[in-house]
Order: sequence, then structure tokens, then C-alpha cells
Amino acid sequence: EVQLLESGGGLVQPGGSLRLSCAASGFTFSNHPMSWVRQAPGKGLEWVSAISNSGGATYYADSVKGRFTISRDNSQNTLSLQMNSLRAEDTALYYCSKARVVWFGVGGLDYWGRGTRVTVSS
Amino acid sequence: QSALTQPASVSGSPGQSITISCTGTGSDVGAYNYVSWYQQHPGKAPRLMIYDVSNRPSGVSNRFSGSKSANTASLTISGLQAEDEADYYCSSYTSSSTVVFGGGTKLAVL
Repeated sequence: EVQLLESGGGLVQPGGSLRLSCAASGFTFSNHPMSWVRQAPGKGLEWVSAISNSGGATYYADSVKGRFTISRDNSQNTLSLQMNSLRAEDTALYYCSKARVVWFGVGGLDYWGRGTRVTVSS
Repeated sequence: QSALTQPASVSGSPGQSITISCTGTGSDVGAYNYVSWYQQHPGKAPRLMIYDVSNRPSGVSNRFSGSKSANTASLTISGLQAEDEADYYCSSYTSSSTVVFGGGTKLAVL
């Protein structure tokens, strides 16, 4: 059974940093690109970032480019998102999600975690 | 990257069919056959319903179907059931090597 378990969310002041993690199990982690998708309270889904299956390629939404860094450890089956210079508009539930196939952007995101909540407020 | 455009809400009666549109540009929906659709019930994680415009993952009812014409993709749900009431989001790969979601559509089954 595929499982994605996010952690690391919390309350942080504007300008602060937070590191999210996602522990994956139940599939060959190194075969699949992974993405972070967020959802602000009462709002829609927003794609944040993705990483290729090897970790050699990373992709970012304009809204987080230069502030967030995605990474993965295929030996530990973990995905991470380092978030710096956080803003109030980064407040959201952050989902870790698995790409259905080996190519980023193709085939959709077929498994999602339950999310970890990030609140940016003073 | 601007969000794809979806109607805010649609509704239908049990047994009827409804269609949700998703309009993008020639740099996303119109450029690639990589449109996906997700269903999200309140308080739950999204669920993949359609990938690559018209393909259903294993376990998704064949009442759900997808199509695309030019810059607009569509999700059709036939034989509406009460359990279909949820939010639906489209997404597309873009020429900037990113993914963009639609604003979401709330489906009410009356």
C-alpha cells in the first residue's frame, strides 16, 4: 500500500524558515518524480514544486522560486521542502504527491498524503 | 503562470450528466495532452480521476470521462450520484516545465 506521510509543518513568523518532509513507502520511490502541492484555507490547489525521480532536475512555481528548495533522498525514501523567507501568503496545507509515471508532468499525481499545515503569522 | 479557468460551480440531479470545462492557453492545455482531473471531498486529499486528457486510473468509475479541444479540456460525469458531490480541479503541464491547476469547481448533486 502506497503511503505518503508529511511532517514539519507549524507556525512560523514572516521571514522565517521551515523544512517539510514526506516519508514514502509502498512503492519504488526512486522510480517516480514527486511534487509538493499546497492549498490555502478555503482556496484551491496550487502546485509548488517537483523533483525528478533521480533528483537531478527540480521545478518551481514562480511564487516560490528562489525561496523554496525541493530535494529527495532515494536511500531513505524521503522528500523534503526547505522553505525560506516565508510570507503570509505561504500559509496553506502542504501535500506531498507521487507522479504516476517516471516523467514529470505526465500521467498525473496518483497518490497524495494527508498534508501538513503551515501557518505564517506574527 | 496563471491558473486555468474553471466554472466556480455546477450542479445536476442524480442520474444526469454534467460537464466541467477547463480553459487554458496554447502554452499549457493547448500544447500538451497532459491534462489531469482531481476530485476532492471536504477535508480529504485530492484523488486522481483522469490523466493525460482522457485516461482513467484503475478503480475510477467509467462514469468519469475526459476530453480536450484546442485550449479547453472537459470532464464529464454521467449518471450523477450523491457521492460525486465534491470539488473538481483540472491541471496541465506547461511549456515552462511547471504544472498549473484550475481554480476548482464545486459540484452539487441536487
